[in-house]
This record gives sequence, structure tokens and C-alpha cells, in this order.
Amino acid sequence: EAGVTQFPSHSVIEKGQTVTLRCDPISGHDNLYWYRRVMGKEIKFLLHFVKESKQDESGMPNNRFLAERTGGTYSTLKVQPAELEDSGVYFCASSQGIRDLGSEAFFGQGTRLTVV
Amino acid sequence: AQSVTQPDIHITVSEGASLELRCNYSYGATPYLFWYVQSPGQGLQLLLKYFSGDTLVQGIKGFEAEFKRSQSSFNLRKPSVHWSDAAEYFCAVGAWASAGTALIFGKGTTLSVSS
Repeated sequence: EAGVTQFPSHSVIEKGQTVTLRCDPISGHDNLYWYRRVMGKEIKFLLHFVKESKQDESGMPNNRFLAERTGGTYSTLKVQPAELEDSGVYFCASSQGIRDLGSEAFFGQGTRLTVV
Repeated sequence: AQSVTQPDIHITVSEGASLELRCNYSYGATPYLFWYVQSPGQGLQLLLKYFSGDTLVQGIKGFEAEFKRSQSSFNLRKPSVHWSDAAEYFCAVGAWASAGTALIFGKGTTLSVSS
């Protein structure tokens, strides 16, 4: 069974450009999460989808970030326009079920974004 | 405020020696606790989790952790470290019995293993 897959693995863009990160969760997982780790800091929650709906987007840093989950399958996270402080590793995770007590969250390998 | 503290940024242990990675949390609700490991080029892998029952939990790769409510701690241990255990380790806490829970992570502890 395929795990959580993220594309691309690395991205280097210039300040002001747009970047779109993609996450393919494990098939059948209703919950999809985005997290971000800025260098030297902790991994921080960005948002949570349940199927195609945004359950919690309290961690999104500002309106330059837009997340979508088409048809409750894969998700994209767009940063437009990118700023230097957006650099970091973006993780995606998925877990089964609406009520995920006891359900493990599986993480992807992350996308390393560098804004120059 | 809800938070997770991993006081050790970097630890070096000799191969074959025992290991303990510290984790303290501050969380208003009943906590749901995790340890994840990230090896170079890999995603986060769950080592173990605690949400109820026996406070000593066993995980993969020979790791265990003990939940101590009175100390708000969830320290990770391994009796004999292998060179392949060199990685970054993250402690995390989530809301127990919540329909979809965002995890709060510590800053991570990097483990180096010397021969």
C-alpha cells in the first residue's frame, strides 16, 4: 500500500513567485493535515481537512496560503506570492475516519521549500 | 498555553548504551501522546503512542515510553542504541477523543550515535 506522497520533494523559488505543493494521502483516509517546520523551530499545524471540507485552518499563517482538497482525495497548498519567511519543510499527514481516536497519522516525506 | 518541550536539542550516545529522550507537555485536556522519528530523507514515522491504559507503552524498533501524569512527562527510552537509530526524534501531543486532532510538536532532539 502506498504511503502519503508529497510533490515536489524540493522547490527553490524567488520571492514573489507562486508555488503549489501537492499531497496524496493514503487511499481511504478522510483526514488530511498540513504542517510546516521552519528551520530551528517546531513542526506547526497549518490546517486539517475532513474529506473535502476544511475542519480547522487556524494554523494558516496568512491569506497568501491557500489549501484545497479536490473531491476529498489529494490536496494542494499554494503559496502566492512567496516570501522569504515561507521557507521550510511542509509536511502532509493523513489518518482514517472522522473520529480518529487511536488512529495513527501517517506523514509524507515533506517538501522542502526555499524562497530566495 | 498548550506546548511540548524537548529540552535536549542534540544528544550523542555510544552504540550499545542506553538512551532516554525527555519530553514534557502542557495540555489542558486529557493528552494523547506520540513519539515520531525522522531519518534523513524520510518522512515522520510513528514510534509509539499513548492514549489510555498501561502507562508504559512499547513501540517499534525496541523503543518504549512512560507516561507520568504527575510530571507531565512522556520520556522515550531504549536499552541499547544501534547506529541506525541516529535520527531526529519528535514528541507530540494531541487532544484525546477529538474528531480529528492537530498535533502539537516539540522542537525535536537530534540523536547521534558514536561507535
